[in-house]
Amino acid sequence: AQTVTQSQPEMSVQEAETVTLSCTYDTSESDYYLFWYKQPPSRQMILVIRQEAYKQQNATENRFSVNFQKAAKSFSLKISDSQLGDAAMYFCAYRSANSGGSNYKLTFGKGTLLTVNP
Amino acid sequence: ETGVTQSPTHLIKTRGQQVTLRCSSQSGHNTVSWYQQALGQGPQFIFQYYREEENGRGNFPPRFSGLQFPNYSSELNVNALELDDSALYLCASSPRPKGYNEQFFGPGTRLTVL
Repeated sequence: AQTVTQSQPEMSVQEAETVTLSCTYDTSESDYYLFWYKQPPSRQMILVIRQEAYKQQNATENRFSVNFQKAAKSFSLKISDSQLGDAAMYFCAYRSANSGGSNYKLTFGKGTLLTVNP
Repeated sequence: ETGVTQSPTHLIKTRGQQVTLRCSSQSGHNTVSWYQQALGQGPQFIFQYYREEENGRGNFPPRFSGLQFPNYSSELNVNALELDDSALYLCASSPRPKGYNEQFFGPGTRLTVL
């Protein structure tokens, strides 16, 4: 079974600064997908960024980028030029690329609560 | 384009009762997944429905059951409620059941079991 670990329960950053959220995962599969989701307080969870394991190039989406280290099974999220609206719970998630049954599920970490200070 | 909606927003039940939660998927999406998010935890996969059939299930007992309708909306039913069932229940829809496809989440239903 796959597991996802987020070792930082809480992080804080000053507005306009950069912060990195850590995520490690455990799997015996070679092909999979990794995601970062953002869950603002009392609001819907939204996708921030995603990465396909077979792609060596790190994904980027505007101010958000990842550092994907497949051999180390590490998938960190970097937020540049942090904004007040970035404050939220951030979840790292894993999904198998295999077909069938519960392979379609997302496996989430416990989350990192990000505070942005003005 | 209407996003994923869930009803009710909040619900209070007592132990032993039964509950039904509802989810309307995003337009054009035929796949719905349900997750349970306990306080301070990440969401845990309950099951997924694709074209009205269960298409995968997590480690939840049979008292958690579901349905998907021809319009791809879905229900989650929980029988014999236990105190540990208190959680935020999230529904997510996607255009296909697997792969790189993004899952679009609803706002959730907060269930409290007393």
